[in-house]
Amino acid sequence: KAGVTQTPRYLIKTRGQQVTLSCSPISGHRSVSWYQQTPGQGLQFLFEYFSETQRNKGNFPGRFSGRQFSNSRSEMNVSTLELGDSALYLCASNTGTGGNQPQHFGDGTRLSIL
Amino acid sequence: SQQGEEDPQALSIQEGENATMNCSYKTSINNLQWYRQNSGRGLVHLILIRSNEREKHSGRLRVTLDTSKKSSSLLITASRAADTASYFCATDAGYSGAGSYQLTFGKGTKLSVIP
Repeated sequence: KAGVTQTPRYLIKTRGQQVTLSCSPISGHRSVSWYQQTPGQGLQFLFEYFSETQRNKGNFPGRFSGRQFSNSRSEMNVSTLELGDSALYLCASNTGTGGNQPQHFGDGTRLSIL
Repeated sequence: SQQGEEDPQALSIQEGENATMNCSYKTSINNLQWYRQNSGRGLVHLILIRSNEREKHSGRLRVTLDTSKKSSSLLITASRAADTASYFCATDAGYSGAGSYQLTFGKGTKLSVIP
């Protein structure tokens, strides 16, 4: 099975712009979660989608949004980019049903804000 | 917010030695998981231990869980240069039929294994 695929791997934007990141989960996985990783704050949960519905959301401003498509692929969008949004954005997937499951992570999108 | 802390923040050992990393957390959990991250890459799942388990092994990895102390440890035996990475513990507060998955991570231990 192919792993979780995130595109693009690297992205450079300027303040005020918006950006869309993409994540394709492992085939058969219906849950997609997004995490932000920064040196200062570490790994922080952004949101989780299951069957095209957001099931859970972390403590991030409304500039951060996401969606999930019928094929379970997910996108996250950040509007009005700020310098502090520079981070590694990681996507993870699992089946989304039943407990005690590991998350399968992609290699992330490195977003740099100039 | 971070669930807990890993200790130590950084660890440097010689190849062949054992490496022990500790993790503390704050709230009740359903399970605790350990992940490895090589520089600039995603997280790789290593091992999951359920709240009713006390010890689990996987190859050269041994994980213990003490729910009364809200702590866990990861032991890597006979370390190799390829084990050089950051190691994170993550807690899962639980999944319900109407719930969702959300892992809460510690800040990680950076392990360097010197050949």
